[in-house]
Amino acid sequence: AQSVTQLGSHVSVSEGALVLLRCNYSSSVPPYLFWYVQYPNQGLQLLLKYTSAATLVKGINGFEAEFKKSETSFHLTKPSAHMSDAAEYFCAVTTYNTNAGKSTFGDGTTLTVKP
Amino acid sequence: DGGITQSPKYLFRKEGQNVTLSCEQNLNHDAMYWYRQDPGQGLRLIYYSQIVNDFQKGDIAEGYSVSREKKESFPLTVTSAQKNPTAFYLCASSTSSGGGVETQYFGPGTRLLVL
Repeated sequence: AQSVTQLGSHVSVSEGALVLLRCNYSSSVPPYLFWYVQYPNQGLQLLLKYTSAATLVKGINGFEAEFKKSETSFHLTKPSAHMSDAAEYFCAVTTYNTNAGKSTFGDGTTLTVKP
Repeated sequence: DGGITQSPKYLFRKEGQNVTLSCEQNLNHDAMYWYRQDPGQGLRLIYYSQIVNDFQKGDIAEGYSVSREKKESFPLTVTSAQKNPTAFYLCASSTSSGGGVETQYFGPGTRLLVL
């Protein structure tokens, strides 16, 4: 079985501050991990994904995430927040030979960026 | 441009009525999915299809039905048996190698409201 927990349903940062969105996973086999972003009333868009290559993954819009097996974590970071980063962010997990439709999504974290 | 389209953007359902949500993709993807999104609950899988003329129940299939007669189309019917249909419905597609690393591409969503 696999699961994912996003710590903090709401995160608020000031423009220019560090963004840190937390994701912890549970999986009995090596996982594949994804971060998606959703803007209001739109679908989800892939930010980045970990597929067992480099543990530090760089994505779009300046975001990156580090896979830490010892901590079962895949936290999303961005050094400097922009107003346009305000959105909802979802962490998801799959495992090898899992049909991609059986991805397990976290409950989401809403990021607010203050001017 | 390749992508996924969903229609309508907003849909109103009367009590006892069946309604159908449309999802079309021109990405030549084999796999397609339907998710339901409720506030604070992330995405929950309703149905998925890995190939034409085949589909599988997800975690919350009760009260819903699907068909997959064409590769590019995966309509979702919300039946009168679904007692709480108000939600945001997202359609997605992916390649279907079965390895678990596939990125899902999402449509813009349909918001269903009950009159």
